[in-house]
Amino acid sequence: QQQVKQSPQSLIVQKGGISIINCAYENTAFDYFPWYQQFPGKGPALLIAIRPDVSEKKEGRFTISFNKSAKQFSLHIMDSQPGDSATYFCAASGVSFGNEKLTFGTGTRLTIIP
Amino acid sequence: DAGVTQSPTHLIKTRGQQVTLRCSPKSGHDTVSWYQQALGQGPQFIFQYYEEEERQRGNFPDRFSGHQFPNYSSELNVNALLLGDSALYLCASSPPPGSSSSYGYTFGSGTRLTVV
Repeated sequence: QQQVKQSPQSLIVQKGGISIINCAYENTAFDYFPWYQQFPGKGPALLIAIRPDVSEKKEGRFTISFNKSAKQFSLHIMDSQPGDSATYFCAASGVSFGNEKLTFGTGTRLTIIP
Repeated sequence: DAGVTQSPTHLIKTRGQQVTLRCSPKSGHDTVSWYQQALGQGPQFIFQYYEEEERQRGNFPDRFSGHQFPNYSSELNVNALLLGDSALYLCASSPPPGSSSSYGYTFGSGTRLTVV
């Protein structure tokens, strides 16, 4: 019930292309879904997050699409750049207290090639 | 504005030893969470401290313990180290519940623990 499944494990995209990473969850009590970006030697940094009351959220080149009935959400990176090369994690939590623990996916290593 | 500060950055310990990792939260944050990130994996929740008490705990044995001080800083202690405890240990802080950015965790860069 606590799992968040993430795919693909690794992804290679050409510069300027669209990078798409998918996640699925099981626990219907989850109601906060963030995406984190992690560079080598650094901690995860919050990229964008969504609540289930909306189906899409866009911030610059980054978009989260959310399908509550399918219990799936995805990250789209438009016009992918070499600087986007990093590991991306989806996560989920409840927010009944405001700071519930995060359950992370297994990560996607994204490589943007020129 | 300093973010989350963790020390030390790297540590090598022998199996069976004990280790203490330290974390200073971001200014304005009063809740500290600890995560273990094994190589090639996502972070796994260890526990969370709020008002100097353990508020939530993940599926980790009692060898993992913690503390939060009145200034909101925190320590993670691991006793009887095993080879499998080798990982990146991340500290994350978050603001008080009900604040305008309640959902914002800020992670530190972590402590890389190697058990030999």
